[in-house]
Order: sequence, then C-alpha cells, then structure tokens
Amino acid sequence: GESVGLHLPTLSVQEGDNSIINCAYSNSASDYFIWYKQESGKGPQFIIDIRSNMDKRQGQRVTVLLNKTVKHLSLQIAATQPGDSAVYFCAENRPRSDSSYKLIFGSGTRLLVRP
Amino acid sequence: EPEVTQTPSHQVTQMGQEVILRCVPISNHLYFYWYRQILGQKVEFLVSFYNNEISEKSEIFDDQFSVERPDGSNFTLKIRSTKLEDSAMYFCASRDTGGWGNEQFFGPGTRLTVL
Repeated sequence: GESVGLHLPTLSVQEGDNSIINCAYSNSASDYFIWYKQESGKGPQFIIDIRSNMDKRQGQRVTVLLNKTVKHLSLQIAATQPGDSAVYFCAENRPRSDSSYKLIFGSGTRLLVRP
Repeated sequence: EPEVTQTPSHQVTQMGQEVILRCVPISNHLYFYWYRQILGQKVEFLVSFYNNEISEKSEIFDDQFSVERPDGSNFTLKIRSTKLEDSAMYFCASRDTGGWGNEQFFGPGTRLTVL
C-alpha cells in the first residue's frame, strides 16, 4: 500500500556535525510535506515544511530537500546540538476536496547527538 | 503563543470501560484531528473533523470511537468500550485555513493505559 517510510531508524552524530535524515514517500498526489520532531513524552513539534512545487526550503539550521522524481525527502540539520536529540518524523499531507487533509507519518528516525 | 491543550495527561482505565479524551484546539482553527501512537511506533491518523462533521476516518476508527465538538472550544474523542490494544498516546491536532502551508499543531497528548 502507499506509505511514507524512513531509511534509518537511528542516527548517531557528533555534536557540531551536520545531520541528514531521509524519508521516502510513495503517493504522488501528496502536495505538502512536513518534518516533525518528537521529544520523549511530548507531541510532534513542527520543524519545517515544503510544498511539492519546491525542491528546497531553508529554516534556522534546518533545510528540507524534496526530490519528486524519486519521491524522496530529507532533513538536514546544521551544527547538530544536544537539544536536537529526538525522534524525527516526516509526514505527507494528502489533500481532500474539503481541504481537511490528513497527515501520513513515517516510522521515525531517532537522532542521538554525542557530546 | 497559542497552543493545543489536552486533558488528562494520563488516563488509566479498565478494559470495557468508556473513556473521553479532551482537547482544546487553537481558538481560530477550523480543522481538528485525532492521532494515535502506540509505544515505539509511528503516529497514526484516526479522524479529521471539519464543519461539525467527520471528514475522514481511518480503519482504526471503528464504531467504538466517536468525536464531538460539544461547544466552541472543546474537541473530544470517546472510546465506548476500551480494549487492551487501545493503550497508546492520543494526540489532538488543529489547523487553520490560512497560512503558507497546512501545518497541523499538535497537543502534548494523553497517555491511555487500558488494564
């Protein structure tokens, strides 16, 4: 069936290094993608989003890249900090005629930042 | 900054009992959602709600589940007869119609434990 999935379940990086978290999606009708960060015991927290008519969007220390040809999404975190340690989910936004949408989440990647 | 709130933070119940999980979405938002996350797994869509009716529901959202917006501020999820497999974190989310994207804002979640 259609799904959003992640290549790496756990990513360990040295503090100060850059992190890259990858995600694959399979629904070509999805028009909007979001990266969420989830810390232990908390709800998903918005990081950055991108529309399907873009291939790159930058935020503060984060960049999202979208490759529609291969249905691939990535999150790049520059100068990773201990506070970045969390589980990261990509989510695709599937449109409906009433604009209600729903988010389909990937299985998540745990980012561990080594001091 | 406005945020989605949820109560209670933790609900323990006996199998077969009814539970009501409560959410207060962000005040000017018009789309409301419930998601579920079983421990260690990804976030799963349950239901979306717009204009006082369900827009879409997943296969998880069977006849034991119902949602209601009883007044202008609350959004509830009721499970009529809980099962052991209903144990999970339940997240409420809301979304505005405007803005660049279609970001859903998540609450902190309610941990439901069914004994």
